[in-house]
Amino acid sequence: AQSVTQLGSHVSVSEGALVLLRCNYSSSVPPYLFWYVQYPNQGLQLLLKYTTGATLVKGINGFEAEFKKSETSFHLTKPSAHMSDAAEYFCAVSARTADKLIFGTGTRLQVFP
Amino acid sequence: NAGVTQTPKFQVLKTGQSMTLQCAQDMNHEYMSWYRQDPGMGLRLIHYSVGAGITDQGEVPNGYNVSRSTTEDFPLRLLSAAPSQTSVYFCASSYSIPDDYGYTFGSGTRLTVV
Repeated sequence: AQSVTQLGSHVSVSEGALVLLRCNYSSSVPPYLFWYVQYPNQGLQLLLKYTTGATLVKGINGFEAEFKKSETSFHLTKPSAHMSDAAEYFCAVSARTADKLIFGTGTRLQVFP
Repeated sequence: NAGVTQTPKFQVLKTGQSMTLQCAQDMNHEYMSWYRQDPGMGLRLIHYSVGAGITDQGEVPNGYNVSRSTTEDFPLRLLSAAPSQTSVYFCASSYSIPDDYGYTFGSGTRLTVV
């Protein structure tokens, strides 16, 4: 069975600071991993998805995630936060492509000027 | 435009009423699923379908029914609405082709049960 743990339900950073959102997964098979962003009162937008064999995955809006099999982690980072990054971020895992997607509980990112 | 269409966008129900949330996709995706989103709990899988005529339960199926008579449609039925079903519901379809895979989400239905 697959599961996802997002450490920290709220993260606050200053504008220009590093953003680090943590995601650890559990999977009995090689996982398919995703990060989604949700702006207030909107739907889900794909930030990036893991591609088998890659360790560093680049996404939209300057975000990237590093896949570390030994640590079962897929943390999301952005070198310099922008006010427009304030949103809720979800990590998700599936066992196969086009299979049920299991989400973490989300991390709300606040960016202060 | 191609994608996942959910209707209605907003709905208020009284306790005990029944209703169907509609979900349609025009991308010929085999896999479809329903999620509910509640504060602090992320998105939780209600039901999913791997193809027409095939459905299965997810994490929180109680109080909901689904059927998949066509590839395009995957309606979610609330049999007897309860306040605990107040939530935002998302439908998704997914694809898998050589060298690519992904999920497309609808824009959501905000349901309030009073």
